[in-house]
Amino acid sequence: AQSVAQPEDQVNVAEGNPLTVKCTYSVSGNPYLFWYVQYPNRGLQFLLKYITGDNLVKGSYGFEAEFNKSQTSFHLKKPSALVSDSALYFCAVRALRNNAGNMLTFGGGTRLMVKP
Amino acid sequence: DGGITQSPKYLFRKEGQNVTLSCEQNLNHDAMYWYRQDPGQGLRLIYYSQIVNDFQKGDIAEGYSVSREKKESFPLTVTSAQKNPTAFYLCASRGTTGDNSPLHFGNGTRLTVT
Repeated sequence: AQSVAQPEDQVNVAEGNPLTVKCTYSVSGNPYLFWYVQYPNRGLQFLLKYITGDNLVKGSYGFEAEFNKSQTSFHLKKPSALVSDSALYFCAVRALRNNAGNMLTFGGGTRLMVKP
Repeated sequence: DGGITQSPKYLFRKEGQNVTLSCEQNLNHDAMYWYRQDPGQGLRLIYYSQIVNDFQKGDIAEGYSVSREKKESFPLTVTSAQKNPTAFYLCASRGTTGDNSPLHFGNGTRLTVT
């Protein structure tokens, strides 16, 4: 079975400080990993993905994530947080389902609060 | 602009009534998905469709039904058999199920059943 864990329900950070939102995964075979962001009462927006290649992936809005195979992690990072980054963040891993479709399994989400 | 439209944004129903949530996309995507979001539980897959006239159950299909008569449309019916229907429902699409392109999401429908 494939799974994603986001161990922190909420992360608090001061504006201008670096932020990290943690994600670990469990999947058979090579993982395909994604980060999405959700603002209140909206759908999810894609931030970045890791498929293969460089372990450091850069995405939208200055976010980046580092794939670590030995630690089975894909933590989301940003060097300098903005108040507007406050939102709900989801990590997801691509999972095989009955060889008929490749579904995403989502973590439970982490709420990021950036304070001025 | 291409995208996914979900309607209505808010929906209220009495217990025992069936209700249908609309999802329309103009992205020419083959694959469409329905997710349910509950606080602290992330997204759970209800149904998905890889192509017109075909769909498969996800992890929590009981009490739900779908149809895929047109490529652009993937409506979800929440039936009276769904024990806890109050939730935020998200529709998504992707080019095909086999590629690694990201999912595109609609803005969701918040269903409240009393």
